[in-house]
Amino acid sequence: TQLLEQSPQFLSIQEGENLTVYCNSSSVFSSLQWYRQEPGEGPVLLVTVVTGGEVKKLKRLTFQFGDARKDSSLHITAAQPGDTGLYLCAGANTNAGKSTFGDGTTLTVKP
Amino acid sequence: NAGVTQTPKFRVLKTGQSMTLLCAQDMNHEYMYWYRQDPGMGLRLIHYSVGEGTTAKGEVPDGYNVSRLKKQNFLLGLESAAPSQTSVYFCASTRLAGGEQFFGPGTRLTVL
Repeated sequence: TQLLEQSPQFLSIQEGENLTVYCNSSSVFSSLQWYRQEPGEGPVLLVTVVTGGEVKKLKRLTFQFGDARKDSSLHITAAQPGDTGLYLCAGANTNAGKSTFGDGTTLTVKP
Repeated sequence: NAGVTQTPKFRVLKTGQSMTLLCAQDMNHEYMYWYRQDPGMGLRLIHYSVGEGTTAKGEVPDGYNVSRLKKQNFLLGLESAAPSQTSVYFCASTRLAGGEQFFGPGTRLTVL
């Protein structure tokens, strides 16, 4: 069974601060995705990283895939209250046709 | 396009009752998934399907059954509900293995 560990589990910060969320595994994944989920809704994809060492930027969000394709990080610069939500990482096993999700990081950004 | 829809949105069952959750997608996706999400936790895969007529077990399949008779529909059944099955259930679909998963709005199930 492939497991993904996310840290921290909860994060509460002030508007304007920077933060980093981590997603770690002992398994290698074909690709890794980050989703954001708001209360009462399903997760929505933020980014997919495929190549070891890959860095992708989405406005104030920076995503990195580890060289060995076992871990990833999400960095948010100058967080805003609109960034509040549950951030989930998901490792894909394309051969099996399924993904494994981490337990998520609940982020609260206070104005 | 409606994307992924789930029926019902809410349901309360008594222990031992049965029910079926319906997931429908209009994106012609091959892969469909059923997850459950408990408070403070991520998504755990119950069952999934890699195409019409196929199903496979995920991480937590016990107590659930599924069917994929039509490509656009994926049904999740609870034969004899238990309080431990109280959860929010999400359906998702994707065109390619490892691709972006599109999620439905969820079904909140309470088993008393």
